[in-house]
Amino acid sequence: DSGVTQTPKHLITATGQRVTLRCSPRSGDLSVYWYQQSLDQGLQFLIQYYNGEERAKGNILERFSAQQFPDLHSELNLSSLELGDSALYFCASSTWTGGVPAFFGQGTRLTVV
Amino acid sequence: ELKVEQNPLFLSMQEGKNYTIYCNYSTTSDRLYWYRQDPGKSLESLFVLLSNGAVKQEGRLMASLDTKARLSTLHITAAVHDLSATYFCAAKPDGGSQGNLIFGKGTKLSVKP
Repeated sequence: DSGVTQTPKHLITATGQRVTLRCSPRSGDLSVYWYQQSLDQGLQFLIQYYNGEERAKGNILERFSAQQFPDLHSELNLSSLELGDSALYFCASSTWTGGVPAFFGQGTRLTVV
Repeated sequence: ELKVEQNPLFLSMQEGKNYTIYCNYSTTSDRLYWYRQDPGKSLESLFVLLSNGAVKQEGRLMASLDTKARLSTLHITAAVHDLSATYFCAAKPDGGSQGNLIFGKGTKLSVKP
């Protein structure tokens, strides 16, 4: 158990819908990273938050957004979903902004139908 | 733009044999990571390589980094079935966020008795 908790584990939704994925980092970790793993694109970095503030952006679509709350949990919001958004979404956490994303959650498998 | 290329993408080995997975990256990177992923599971951090000539070993796995050649290798010694998994290397662009990793496509390793 990495200590990083993601919910839900599985999500099936229709095109055009909006979903929210949740991540609780390890106790004491201030940095949260989101990644997408799909068959087409492989593993891609989406976005990083540190102590409530956005720190880095990767290949995150404009339809996607994230935030980190005062209790340090993070949410990834995906809207106007398309079939191609079907993927495994991971979050990872580390202690500080320069920390290695070493601890990953179990992921949320999103299927868009 | 940093690109990361792994080879081979598929590797079928017999138990007891040795093999090497190669990870080439296209531009300078100030650190290199290796991860393991079991089917349907999350990523597990194996190694972080920080400098030219770095070598790290854990059990039957040994990783090394040659920044001049922009090459990292993951060497497997006397493979056992438990090592069957997909192995990813990832590089961090110079100056980028720690989480802004560029991943290779992964090497799916199957160790057969």
